[in-house]
Amino acid sequence: QQQVKQSPQSLIVQKGGISIINCAYENTAFDYFPWYQQFPGKGPALLIAIRPDVSEKKEGRFTISFNKSAKQFSLHIMDSQPGDSATYFCAASQGSGAGSYQLTFGKGTKLSVIP
Amino acid sequence: AAGVIQSPRHLIKEKRETATLKCYPIPRHDTVYWYQQGPGQDPQFLISFYEKMQSDKGSIPDRFSAQQFSDYHSELNMSSLELGDSALYFCASSLDAGSDTQYFGPGTRLTVL
Repeated sequence: QQQVKQSPQSLIVQKGGISIINCAYENTAFDYFPWYQQFPGKGPALLIAIRPDVSEKKEGRFTISFNKSAKQFSLHIMDSQPGDSATYFCAASQGSGAGSYQLTFGKGTKLSVIP
Repeated sequence: AAGVIQSPRHLIKEKRETATLKCYPIPRHDTVYWYQQGPGQDPQFLISFYEKMQSDKGSIPDRFSAQQFSDYHSELNMSSLELGDSALYFCASSLDAGSDTQYFGPGTRLTVL
């Protein structure tokens, strides 16, 4: 049972366009929702993260929108660039003590930004 | 800024051999998480440590063990390797007990022949 469902699986966007990736979660105890960017053969790099008490968070060209009632959150990449081409993972965690913030990941979205 | 260091970066082993992966967290980070990522898959949590004690355990096979040392580096020991163990193994560190923000290392690519 996939606790975090991510869509689409792949996405092609024109340079300068908006990339939108969606995630939905089941566990209402999740209280931290990060997005990671991963290039082939590299480790996931933290992009931006949000907590349930906030509906939107923006950092540069990256924005997370969070809908607690719908148990959904999304990543928007504005003015998408070819260098943004990578796999993006949404994730969620719930803390219950030291070292217990294990991340549950979505299946990932492969983004390709074409010139 | 200093990042998580993992070694080796690549490892090739035969079936039934053993492997040891090492992780050096970001300085002053005392919490370490291990994840396994199969080809085209999302990372799966294996095990975590805080202050040298095991904190949480995920889908880690009994053939695997891990520990965290006094300098906070961690080692993942894998025995009786199987073809299905071929994957990227990531270590992530976080600052302290109350932090849910994790920073990932570059990973170790393990290939089992």
